[in-house]
Amino acid sequence: GENVEQHPSTLSVQEGDSAVIKCTYSDSASNYFPWYKQELGKRPQLIIDIRSNVGEKKDQRIAVTLNKTAKHFSLHITETQPEDSAVYFCAASTPRFQKLVFGTGTRLLVSP
Amino acid sequence: SQTIHQWPATLVQPVGSPLSLECTVEGTSNPNLYWYRQAAGRGLQLLFYSVGIGQISSEVPQNLSASRPQDRQFILSSKKLLLSDSGFYLCAWLDRATRGVGYTFGSGTRLTVV
Repeated sequence: GENVEQHPSTLSVQEGDSAVIKCTYSDSASNYFPWYKQELGKRPQLIIDIRSNVGEKKDQRIAVTLNKTAKHFSLHITETQPEDSAVYFCAASTPRFQKLVFGTGTRLLVSP
Repeated sequence: SQTIHQWPATLVQPVGSPLSLECTVEGTSNPNLYWYRQAAGRGLQLLFYSVGIGQISSEVPQNLSASRPQDRQFILSSKKLLLSDSGFYLCAWLDRATRGVGYTFGSGTRLTVV
């Protein structure tokens, strides 16, 4: 089955810096890659996603890139703010049943 | 609009007691439904998923079971809870008609087995 690895497990940056979180997946049939943000005690919230027919997608300060050949995708956050502090999860989904397999999460801490 | 309801929000249960968590979705039909568990400080583990009434697939062997008695209702159960069943249980749904919007999670149930 699908396996998703995520790095780093923790990431500390200064406000205004950029943050990059990387994920790799194992199943070449995976075609949908969402990113979720989870604040303490809350449910995960979808922040951006990308499909396998697209290499890059951007939404204001957040961007995601996908390299299908290498089977890895990354989340880029520019001009980080303290409210970006949270745990971020990547995930991958195969077409059949659309099961989402999650990475282990990255705890992002943005210091003022 | 589509909404997902999950209850209760918190639950403290003794070891060996039964469990029933309920999840319902509104504003959609024939969704895919999922149960995830998140241990403290850990990632999201898929427990069960369902693509239709009475259709349940289990991802990991465990002390839990799931049922889907109605199109928009998904229930997670246990006959006898273990300490290791403690965690944050999240129900999620996928609108297969739209596909591209990912999963929407319920607000979760924080279960503590004592």
